[in-house]
Amino acid sequence: GQNIDQPTEMTATEGAIVQINCTYQTSGFNGLFWYQQHAGEAPTFLSYNVLDGLEEKGRFSSFLSRSKGYSYLLLKELQMKDSASYLCAVEDSNYQLIWGAGTKLIIKP
Amino acid sequence: IAGITQAPTSQILAAGRRMTLRCTQDMRHNAMYWYRQDLGLGLRLIHYSNTAGTTGKGEVPDGYSVSRANTDDFPLTLASAVPSQTSVYFCASSDGGRSTDTQYFGPGTRLTVL
Repeated sequence: GQNIDQPTEMTATEGAIVQINCTYQTSGFNGLFWYQQHAGEAPTFLSYNVLDGLEEKGRFSSFLSRSKGYSYLLLKELQMKDSASYLCAVEDSNYQLIWGAGTKLIIKP
Repeated sequence: IAGITQAPTSQILAAGRRMTLRCTQDMRHNAMYWYRQDLGLGLRLIHYSNTAGTTGKGEVPDGYSVSRANTDDFPLTLASAVPSQTSVYFCASSDGGRSTDTQYFGPGTRLTVL
């Protein structure tokens, strides 16, 4: 079966750094996405990785290791507005996105 | 209209009733998608359309139908609603037919079936 695993919830302090991990087992791989979803709102795109390595975009970075079936999202200089759920999704061999359940990130002052 | 809109925002529905959730985008995107999101589960694809006039089944299509008569609109119909269809429904669109294109999501419809 296809499976995306993420921690259910994480807590971090304002100004700190947090790493949200995602492991996957899918039938084929055509890329990995990270989306942000604030409570009661729609998901919004954060990053896309298809090759191994780190993609940096401002305070957010995303890493991919295809051989390990592993990705992480790194958030630096955390702000209160970063409190949200972070969704990991993998595009499988049928070009459909398989979504993880999301990681709820709580930021404390 | 800017982006992708959904209607209604929320709805309470009696079991057995027919319901159509509306989705409209003004970005001229080729592909559109319907997902449901349930607590503790990831987004699950119900149906998709890679281009106007074509549709396909996703992971959980049973009990749902869609049509794509034009580029902008992609309605989702529940022919006879059941309580297990209580969920938040998101419509999304992307420029191409492949999921590697960024998907843009509508604000969602919260549906309760009693």
